[in-house]
Amino acid sequence: KAGVTQTPRYLIKTRGQQVTLSCSPISGHRSVSWYQQTPGQGLQFLFEYFSETQRNKGNFPGRFSGRQFSNSRSEMNVSTLELGDSALYLCASSSPGQETLFSTDTQYFGPGTRLTVL
Amino acid sequence: GQQVMQIPQYQHVQEGEDFTTYCNSSTTLSNIQWYKQRPGGHPVFLIQLVKSGEVKKQKRLTFQFGEAKKNSSLHITATQTTDVGTYFCHGNQFYFGTGTSLTVIP
Repeated sequence: KAGVTQTPRYLIKTRGQQVTLSCSPISGHRSVSWYQQTPGQGLQFLFEYFSETQRNKGNFPGRFSGRQFSNSRSEMNVSTLELGDSALYLCASSSPGQETLFSTDTQYFGPGTRLTVL
Repeated sequence: GQQVMQIPQYQHVQEGEDFTTYCNSSTTLSNIQWYKQRPGGHPVFLIQLVKSGEVKKQKRLTFQFGEAKKNSSLHITATQTTDVGTYFCHGNQFYFGTGTSLTVIP
């Protein structure tokens, strides 16, 4: 199976602009999660989508939003970009059948989108 | 946000030395996973532990899950330069450990 793909791989924007990132999960995976990774903050959970619905949300401001399409592809949008939004944005998909309330699903990560805000 | 704590944050070792990273949670975990992220890469799944006290090995890597299912460790024997990267544990839904960055000095 093809892995998780993300586009674009690199992006440069200026403060105040908005950006849309795209993620295509592994075929058959219905859950897509987004993470922000910065050098000092590790992997920060943004949100998770399952069957076109946001199922879980991390502690990020409303400028960060996302959606999932019927084919499980997902997009995340960041509006009014700030310098601090410069980061590697990773999406990960997980396999169906593992969505239990307490267990931790295996995450299959894409290569990420490196966003630089100037 | 919710995070599982990992120590140490950074570790430099001479090639051939052993390395251990520890993952600690304040709550009981249903299961725990370990991931490795090479420099410039993305996290890659290594292994999952489910049972209390479970120990699994992958060549020079040994993974342990604590008896109380609140902590875990990853031990690498005789490190090699190919072991360089950041190791994350993942035990709480979508929250990853803070990561341990391993540098191996040839």
